[in-house]
Amino acid sequence: NAGVTQTPKFRILKIGQSMTLQCTQDMNHNYMYWYRQDPGMGLKLIYYSVGAGITDKGEVPNGYNVSRSTTEDFPLRLELAAPSQTSVYFCASSPPGGELFFGEGSRLTVL
Amino acid sequence: RKEVEQDPGPFNVPEGATVAFNCTYSNSASQSFFWYRQDCRKEPKLLMSVYSSGNEDGRFTAQLNRASQYISLLIRDSKLSDSATYLCVVESNTGKLIFGQGTTLQVKP
Repeated sequence: NAGVTQTPKFRILKIGQSMTLQCTQDMNHNYMYWYRQDPGMGLKLIYYSVGAGITDKGEVPNGYNVSRSTTEDFPLRLELAAPSQTSVYFCASSPPGGELFFGEGSRLTVL
Repeated sequence: RKEVEQDPGPFNVPEGATVAFNCTYSNSASQSFFWYRQDCRKEPKLLMSVYSSGNEDGRFTAQLNRASQYISLLIRDSKLSDSATYLCVVESNTGKLIFGQGTTLQVKP
C-alpha cells in the first residue's frame, strides 16, 4: 500500500549541480503535482500534470523541469541548482477534484 | 491579490476554546475547497473537504461563502493535539490545487 513515494528524502547539492527528484504513485491518479515549501510558508505549486504526456506550469516553475511519460511517474528536474532552491519538495497525486495524497517530502539543501 | 490568502497567525488559544480560521480566494470559478492539516516538517494530510452546504466532522465545521469568496474552519473544544498548521486549498477551474500560506494554531494547557 505504497501511495506516493518520493526519493531521495534528503539531498545536499552544490551550486550549479543538477538532480532529479523522483515521484511515483500506485493509485492510478491522473493528476500529479510538485510543490515546494520554504520555512514558515505555505506550499507553492511548481508544476502539475493532468495526465500522461501533459504538464503545465504552476506558480514558481523557474529553474525546474518535469515530464510525465507514464501515469505513475512525475520526476522533477533541477538543472542548475541555486541556494534559492533550498526547500522541502512535496509530490502529490489526486483524482480530479479529489483529495491530494502526498509523499513524505524531499529536503534539499543547496550550498 | 494572491489566489488564496490566510492569516498566518499564530493563534494561541487555551484548551477547550473555540477558534475559527478564514481563507479568501480570488477566482470566483473555483470548484473545490479543502482544509488540510500539517504537522511540523511532515506532509499535509486532508482534514476535510468543504461543501457548499457546509459540513461538520466531530469538533470541526467547514463552511463556504461563495458570494464573499471565502471558506472557514471552526474548531470547538480545542485539544492540545489540534496544534498544527491548517492549510486551505482551492481548486481552480483548470484543475490546479492552490494552497494558502497556512494558519498556525497553538493550543495551550
